Amino acid sequence: AQSVTQLDSQVPVFEEAPVELRCNYSSSVSVYLFWYVQYPNQGLQLLLKYLSGSTLVESINGFEAEFNKSQTSFHLRKPSVHISDTAEYFCAVSDNSGAGSYQLTFGKGTKLSVIP
Amino acid sequence: DGGITQSPKYLFRKEGQNVTLSCEQNLNHDAMYWYRQDPGQGLRLIYYSQIVNDFQKGDIAEGYSVSREKKESFPLTVTSAQKNPTAFYLCASSIGGEAFFGQGTRLTVV
Repeated sequence: AQSVTQLDSQVPVFEEAPVELRCNYSSSVSVYLFWYVQYPNQGLQLLLKYLSGSTLVESINGFEAEFNKSQTSFHLRKPSVHISDTAEYFCAVSDNSGAGSYQLTFGKGTKLSVIP
Repeated sequence: DGGITQSPKYLFRKEGQNVTLSCEQNLNHDAMYWYRQDPGQGLRLIYYSQIVNDFQKGDIAEGYSVSREKKESFPLTVTSAQKNPTAFYLCASSIGGEAFFGQGTRLTVV
């Protein structure tokens, strides 16, 4: 069984300030990790993913996340946010043991509100 | 364009009626999923299917049914047994653990 905890349900931040959205997970097997973004009344879009290799992964719009196996975390960061980053962000984990069904388990989401 | 198509975008249902939400994908993915989203609760898995003609219950399957007669299609029926069906429903397909989502269907009971 696996689970995901997003530690903050809402994060308000001023425009051009840095932000960190926290995500911790638990799993008995090795995992893939994902961050998805959701704009109002839309589906989820993949923001970035960790499958293997470098523990620091980046998105094309300036977000980054670092896989920390010892702390079982995958926090999402951006050094300077824009109004357009206002959305809900979901952390997710998937079993990569090869024997599982690749079900994604999601956290409850963090609403990022960027204040002008 | 490859992707997941959900229809309709908005759906209204009278109490006691069954309704079916459509989900079609042209990504050639074997695995497909239905999630329900309620404010503050994240995404909860209703049903999933890893192969044609086979599907499994997720965490909140009661009051829902699915079929998987074709690889491309995974429709969800919300039955009258579902006591609180008003929610946002998301369909996804996946490969290698990464999921691709449709734009969702917002179901409202009137």
